[in-house]
Amino acid sequence: EEQLVESGGGLVQPGGALRLSCAASGFNFSKYWMIWVRQAPGKGLEWVANIKEDGIVRYYVDSVRGRFTISRDNAKNSLYLQMNSLRAEDTATYYCARGGYSVWGQGTLVTVSS
Amino acid sequence: DIAVSQSPDSLAVSLGERATINCKTSQSVLYSSNNRNYLAWYQKKPGQPPKLLTYWAATRDSGVPDRFSGSGSGTDFTLTISSLQAEDVAVYYCQQYYNTPHTFGQGTKLEIK
Repeated sequence: EEQLVESGGGLVQPGGALRLSCAASGFNFSKYWMIWVRQAPGKGLEWVANIKEDGIVRYYVDSVRGRFTISRDNAKNSLYLQMNSLRAEDTATYYCARGGYSVWGQGTLVTVSS
Repeated sequence: DIAVSQSPDSLAVSLGERATINCKTSQSVLYSSNNRNYLAWYQKKPGQPPKLLTYWAATRDSGVPDRFSGSGSGTDFTLTISSLQAEDVAVYYCQQYYNTPHTFGQGTKLEIK
């Protein structure tokens, strides 16, 4: 079964940092682009970032560029999102998805609050 | 960035009736070299991840019931649910993946009348 499982969410103070992880199984992880998408409470879906199979090509939405870093470890079948300088508006459930968007994780909640 | 807008914001339809949701992109998402529209539709229920319904504007993902159909080209797209079932109550999103960021519409909340 193709599966993605996120972890690493939690409560963090404004200005703090958090690293999300996404463990992949059931498919050849190294052959796919990977993506992070988030949904703030009561709001819509927002695309955050993606990363190419080689881990070199990366794109970000403007609101997180310079603060968030997407990365991957193909040997560990894992995707990451390093989030620095967190703001209240980064509070959301963060989902990882496989390129093509047919496989999603269940999400991990990040709350930025003092 | 390509802006994506949906209409209506909410919709109430009787069981067994047709539901239609519209999506408009600020520029064409039709890639001329392969004649594909880079547009997807998703269903989102509370506490669950988004579920891909259609991609390339009109190709249903595996296991998606055939009452869901996508259509359109260029900048104007439609998701149609031909006969609404109770389990279709959800928020529906369209998304363009022609350019990064792969922007989503604001969502359309579908309810039973």
